[in-house]
Amino acid sequence: GQQLNQSPQSMFIQEGEDVSMNCTSSSIFNTWLWYKQDPGEGPVLLIALYKAGELTSNGRLTAQFGITRKDSFLNISASIPSDVGIYFCAGWPNAGNNRKLIWGLGTSLAVNP
Amino acid sequence: NAGVTQTPKFQVLKTGQSMTLQCAQDMNHNSMYWYRQDPGMGLRLIYYSASEGTTDKGEVPNGYNVSRLNKREFSLRLESAAPSQTSVYFCASSMGHYTNEKLFFGSGTQLSVL
Repeated sequence: GQQLNQSPQSMFIQEGEDVSMNCTSSSIFNTWLWYKQDPGEGPVLLIALYKAGELTSNGRLTAQFGITRKDSFLNISASIPSDVGIYFCAGWPNAGNNRKLIWGLGTSLAVNP
Repeated sequence: NAGVTQTPKFQVLKTGQSMTLQCAQDMNHNSMYWYRQDPGMGLRLIYYSASEGTTDKGEVPNGYNVSRLNKREFSLRLESAAPSQTSVYFCASSMGHYTNEKLFFGSGTQLSVL
């Protein structure tokens, strides 16, 4: 099935550093969603984006809906140990009857205290 | 403040056994979903129910059946479990099935088929 290109696949950073990750596609999307998954838990929604160019923050997290509608970005500022987990992007494509949420494979984040 | 509740949390089956994974949501959502998550493969949609009374196949429906029992509950059944069905299963719900919806997930069921 269709998937989003999410990068990087994994990151290992020092506490206090900023983090950037992104999702890209060759198709246009109507909505971008960013989730975080802790070990043994289900994904939890962090940020939802609905318009091209939209920039939305949730605490230390900031996400952007790309101008071309084919990409999205997530930044985490001043990382802390509890930021550890897997971050997933997901998007609803602008493709007629193809109303299925498309997922990236995730970015695994490790934070060294 | 339960949200999406899945049972059981863990399950071990022998090849050929059957079982039903239960899911219930208390957010008055219309749409519900079943995903499986495997290492390196991300989240893959098994089945979904856009509204009460309807179900549709996702990417990987083979070997599974679903029942939308009522607006709150959506169950996933494995009739004859196979080792390839060893996975973590997530149920999710959303207000509707439109291209601006946010999905809310349960905490998952870890299933091992021996």
